[in-house]
Amino acid sequence: KAGVTQTPRYLIKTRGQQVTLSCSPISGHRSVSWYQQTPGQGLQFLFEYFSETQRNKGNFPGRFSGRQFSNSRSEMNVSTLELGDSALYLCASTQTRKSAGELFFGEGSRLTVL
Amino acid sequence: AQKVTQAQTEISVVEKEDVTLDCVYETRDTTYYLFWYKQPPSGELVFLIRRNSFDEQNEISGRYSWNFQKSTSSFNFTITASQVVDSAVYFCAPIPGGNQFYFGTGTSLTVIP
Repeated sequence: KAGVTQTPRYLIKTRGQQVTLSCSPISGHRSVSWYQQTPGQGLQFLFEYFSETQRNKGNFPGRFSGRQFSNSRSEMNVSTLELGDSALYLCASTQTRKSAGELFFGEGSRLTVL
Repeated sequence: AQKVTQAQTEISVVEKEDVTLDCVYETRDTTYYLFWYKQPPSGELVFLIRRNSFDEQNEISGRYSWNFQKSTSSFNFTITASQVVDSAVYFCAPIPGGNQFYFGTGTSLTVIP
């Protein structure tokens, strides 16, 4: 069974640009959540999607957005990049809507903003 | 909202030593789950354990054991006879029942050979 796949793995952008990250969950998983990991703030929840609907959202500005497609694949977008957006962005999937179940994580997309 | 405190930012131990990672959490929910995840250098988080707030039995799995005390809101994790492969960042996370995990800054464990 293939794991959670995130692309791209590494990318470099400059301030003011926008970026789109992609996440393909494990087959059959309908819930996808996104996290931002930085040395100072740790691992912070961005948002969660289930069946193409955003169910939960963390405390991030509107520059951070996401969506989920009918095949459960998800994308997150960050517009008007700032230096502080440099981070490892992790995607996780799980099977059900409210299972409090185990999350399966991808290896992340490491974004560097110059 | 949930909050977790892992006061130990970094820990170093010599191989074969035992090590305990502390986790103190805050939640207003009466029913919740507690998780531990491990993040090796490769980046992806790996699930270690899930406990229901109703179940305060300690758990042992091989070299890993967990001590859950609801009265003190603590869910500590002990690795016995540590190995170099245990070097990773460990995260404790309480969740109320949905899929919104509140992780903290984690504890970075280095096991020295």
